[in-house]
Amino acid sequence: NAGVMQNPRHLVRRRGQEARLRCSPMKGHSHVYWYRQLPEEGLKFMVYLQKENIIDESGMPKERFSAEFPKEGPSILRIQQVVRGDSAAYFCASSPTGQGGNYGYTFGSGTRLTVV
Amino acid sequence: EDQVTQSPEALRLQEGESSSLNCSYTVSGLRGLFWYRQDPGKGPEFLFTLYSAGEEKEKERLKATLTKKESFLHITAPKPEDSATYLCAVGAPGGAQKLVFGQGTRLTINP
Repeated sequence: NAGVMQNPRHLVRRRGQEARLRCSPMKGHSHVYWYRQLPEEGLKFMVYLQKENIIDESGMPKERFSAEFPKEGPSILRIQQVVRGDSAAYFCASSPTGQGGNYGYTFGSGTRLTVV
Repeated sequence: EDQVTQSPEALRLQEGESSSLNCSYTVSGLRGLFWYRQDPGKGPEFLFTLYSAGEEKEKERLKATLTKKESFLHITAPKPEDSATYLCAVGAPGGAQKLVFGQGTRLTINP
């Protein structure tokens, strides 16, 4: 029973490149959440998606960041033209319903993005 | 704005030395208070959800309690394997799909 799978585990990008982070939710889960953990800071909500829909993107930076969860395949968090300040751990979580927090999200192990 | 503050930032205990971690919160309409455990290099692991003042939940050596302004995570007779960062979060208004996290307490249990 695989949990939430994120890849890659580690990603190094040069300034100005694009970063693509992937998240496959647990089997049977159709709700996906992305969080970012900056060094020495707590987890911050970025976006909540269902299949083919963005439900809440209130935590996403206005520029360069986008997320999708297509009908088939993993959820993708895309960061264009990365800058050093984007260096962080990005965590994906999934739940079977939209009340994911009520039952405790299942988090993946994260992707650690380093921008050089 | 919803805020969650955890204290202390770091705590070192000897094996068997019981203690408590604090989580104070300011939120307009609590939709759950959540505790997670995070090991280095891993994602947070769900421990407890509490919904109303006076509620308590237990799991092995951990017990979580909730008042109207704060939550405590009590750890009884801890073992080295309890060493981790413990995160507290609150469900934000609009739905528990968005959690507001504190910065965590880094707990170290020395053998």
